[in-house]
Amino acid sequence: KAGVTQTPRYLIKTRGQQVTLSCSPISGHRSVSWYQQTPGQGLQFLFEYFSETQRNKGNFPGRFSGRQFSNSRSEMNVSTLELGDSALYLCASSLGLGQGNTGELFFGEGSRLTVL
Amino acid sequence: AQSVTQLDSHVSVSEGTPVLLRCNYSSSYSPSLFWYVQHPNKGLQLLLKYTSAATLVKGINGFEAEFKKSETSFHLTKPSAHMSDAAEYFCVVSEDGNNRKLIWGLGTSLAVNP
Repeated sequence: KAGVTQTPRYLIKTRGQQVTLSCSPISGHRSVSWYQQTPGQGLQFLFEYFSETQRNKGNFPGRFSGRQFSNSRSEMNVSTLELGDSALYLCASSLGLGQGNTGELFFGEGSRLTVL
Repeated sequence: AQSVTQLDSHVSVSEGTPVLLRCNYSSSYSPSLFWYVQHPNKGLQLLLKYTSAATLVKGINGFEAEFKKSETSFHLTKPSAHMSDAAEYFCVVSEDGNNRKLIWGLGTSLAVNP
């Protein structure tokens, strides 16, 4: 069974640009969550999607957005990039609604974004 | 508000010696607690979880953790460290009673010396 796949794995952008990251969850998983990981802040929850609807949202500005498609694949977009957006963006999938309800999140290896 | 504190940002042990990674939490609800591990350049993997069943929880790779409500702690232990245990470890608490949001600790980096 294939794991969570995130693309691209690495990317470099400049300030002001926008970026789209993709996440394909484990087959049969309907919930996808996104996290930002930085050395100083640790893992910060961005949002969660279930059945194409955003169910939870963290404390990030509106420049961060996402969506989920009918096949449960998800994308997140960051517009008007800032230097502070440099981070590892992790996607996690799970069977059902709620990050902890079914106990386990399955993580991809992340997309490492560098903003210059 | 819920929070989680990992008391050590770095822990270094010798191979074959015990591992102790400390985690304290605060929660208004009966919490669910998790430990995840992240190996270099890899995603995170669930080690173990506590969800109000047995207070001593056994996980993968020989790790276990004990939920102590009186001390609001959920420390991770392993009797004998292996080189492959070198990784970043995260303690996680659910933010609400429905486990809808998770609060992550800042992580503890475990180094295992030969």
